[in-house]
Amino acid sequence: IAGITQAPTSQILAAGRRMTLRCTQDMRHNAMYWYRQDLGLGLRLIHYSNTAGTTGKGEVPDGYSVSRANTDDFPLTLASAVPSQTSVYFCASSKERGNEQFFGPGTRLTVL
Amino acid sequence: AQSVTQPDIHITVSEGASLELRCNYSYGATPYLFWYVQSPGQGLQLLLKYFSGDTLVQGIKGFEAEFKRSQSSFNLRKPSVHWSDAAEYFCAVGAKEYGNKLVFGAGTILRVKS
Repeated sequence: IAGITQAPTSQILAAGRRMTLRCTQDMRHNAMYWYRQDLGLGLRLIHYSNTAGTTGKGEVPDGYSVSRANTDDFPLTLASAVPSQTSVYFCASSKERGNEQFFGPGTRLTVL
Repeated sequence: AQSVTQPDIHITVSEGASLELRCNYSYGATPYLFWYVQSPGQGLQLLLKYFSGDTLVQGIKGFEAEFKRSQSSFNLRKPSVHWSDAAEYFCAVGAKEYGNKLVFGAGTILRVKS
């Protein structure tokens, strides 16, 4: 592993289903982030974590939850997916909050 | 509220021509700024960053940007564009006073014609 990995690469999901997007980094970064990217809106922060064991809400947290049990992993869960959650999701990390962020390759999610 | 504006949704330039992508921000605090590039189907790659000091910063791939506090701008420039520069470019701004939350512009898609 080098940098940040995300899984799956893409997923088609029925509305109402539960889905967890995985994110793993091997840079020992303290801070991690989840963004969604929608056409014309740029990237919007969903949730973040300043360090293992802590999480915080971003700009668009509704319908999403996160956990940070250890430094490397930061999964994003959609408890009951809705079509408006169709988007490309990016995980990112930074050494500390406020430093430059490094991005994963993204997960393309379609909710039908 | 903090905001970042990239006024140009699309820009087309000829290969070898100069490039300037605009970024304006509205922040009630001293910001730090980034430019990222995204190729189709890829994640974002950091081009350059400004935290403090010299307001003209150099980045990778021959890009540079100038922080102008009086104009609330952080425009990205390149003297000679290559076809491989075709991508989407994002300006991002953060500030310690706002919890270090990074706010992204909507992006500018660059097309390069040969």
